[in-house]
Amino acid sequence: DTEVTQTPKHLVMGMTNKKSLKCEQHMGHRAMYWYKQKAKKPPELMFVYSYEKLSINESVPSRFSPECPNSSLLNLHLHALQPEDSALYLCASSQGLAGIYNEQFFGPGTRLTVL
Amino acid sequence: AQTVTQSQPEMSVQEAETVTLSCTYDTSESDYYLFWYKQPPSRQMILVIRQEAYKQQNATENRFSVNFQKAAKSFSLKISDSQLGDAAMYFCAYRSKGLGGNEKLTFGTGTRLTIIP
Repeated sequence: DTEVTQTPKHLVMGMTNKKSLKCEQHMGHRAMYWYKQKAKKPPELMFVYSYEKLSINESVPSRFSPECPNSSLLNLHLHALQPEDSALYLCASSQGLAGIYNEQFFGPGTRLTVL
Repeated sequence: AQTVTQSQPEMSVQEAETVTLSCTYDTSESDYYLFWYKQPPSRQMILVIRQEAYKQQNATENRFSVNFQKAAKSFSLKISDSQLGDAAMYFCAYRSKGLGGNEKLTFGTGTRLTIIP
């Protein structure tokens, strides 16, 4: 299994809602990532988890809250989002962080629309 | 900080022809990785090819090859025998080899490739 899965594929939420994005991989990877991608732009790194611990937080607003319950699962909890947070949210995983083990496998993304 | 520049926002090529996508980068590091990722309209990002900076030999993966010029900090992607399935946004990306906050990929702004039947 060389796949990263993300659910849901699409999400529409109001600014007062609380929702969660889910990412799963069963490749035995120990590093997982969240990226935000606006239309026609490259992905921007948000968070990196390594061995279920937060390794990098790219100064992301607190309305985004990541969680890594186990080595296969990564969540992104959303609360009080703004319309400008509408984007494609990509999850990725890699075997590790160092050297050649950093090859990242991406999921298909969740298209988020904030009304 | 490292930067990656893709100067061609859009490119097009006739099916079965060859096309080259440009990428330049700026870094003070001597050892690093460079990648080309492909993102088709279905959105899933796929790794096309990877180059380690200390390796002089250019990487090749089937119809995809790179021209890595370390001194010029250039990393172009050549696609031979272009196929309709090659239509996608192509991102060039850089990654440091070290740890301690250097694990992030730095992406270029992308080149949208259209294949003309």
